[in-house]
Amino acid sequence: QKEVEQNSGPLSVPEGAIASLNCTYSDRGSQSFFWYRQYSGKSPELIMFIYSNGDKEDGRFTAQLNKASQYVSLLIRDSQPSDSATYLCAVNIYSSASKIIFGSGTRLSIRP
Amino acid sequence: DARVTQTPRHKVTEMGQEVTMRCQPILGHNTVFWYRQTMMQGLELLAYFRNRAPLDDSGMPKDRFSAEMPDATLATLKIQPSEPRDSAVYFCASGLGQSDTQYFGPGTRLTVL
Repeated sequence: QKEVEQNSGPLSVPEGAIASLNCTYSDRGSQSFFWYRQYSGKSPELIMFIYSNGDKEDGRFTAQLNKASQYVSLLIRDSQPSDSATYLCAVNIYSSASKIIFGSGTRLSIRP
Repeated sequence: DARVTQTPRHKVTEMGQEVTMRCQPILGHNTVFWYRQTMMQGLELLAYFRNRAPLDDSGMPKDRFSAEMPDATLATLKIQPSEPRDSAVYFCASGLGQSDTQYFGPGTRLTVL
């Protein structure tokens, strides 16, 4: 089992709809969770981080964390074509000396 | 605004040659990471430093890769000798802790022929 897993996609969502991206992780001791966005040919950039169970909202983005089920998700409301990118989930894996481990990413495509 | 810089941005070399990539972390950040990204493997952590000391380089092929931080403003990643399978984008990132937000540089796109 991979330490951080994401569906590779592509996930296609119509403009204006909600895009839902999911990530599961293996280590129950993980404390920090991050979502990065990466446009083609560019470097990853941080969108959100979350440390506590529940929801965290920032503009059109909402991160959701459920430690009991070991998953973290990212919701993008009112999806725009500019949201088309690969979204990387990153988790600090406590059993790996708290290293941040990245998932393989989910490719999101917003269709006009 | 503060950002991580990397040089060179692109490098094309022949198999067997030495390659050196450089990274300047954001001033004040005490943790530096080196990643490699390919289509097949995704983003792989090669090594990271805290306060210039190497903490983990288990992701690096030891026989050909080396990473150093000669000072707080410079991190280097060397490949000697380079091989075609080393072709990838190499990212440097910096942060304030190994479990904290990481800020990525623009990457070095390496092609080994």
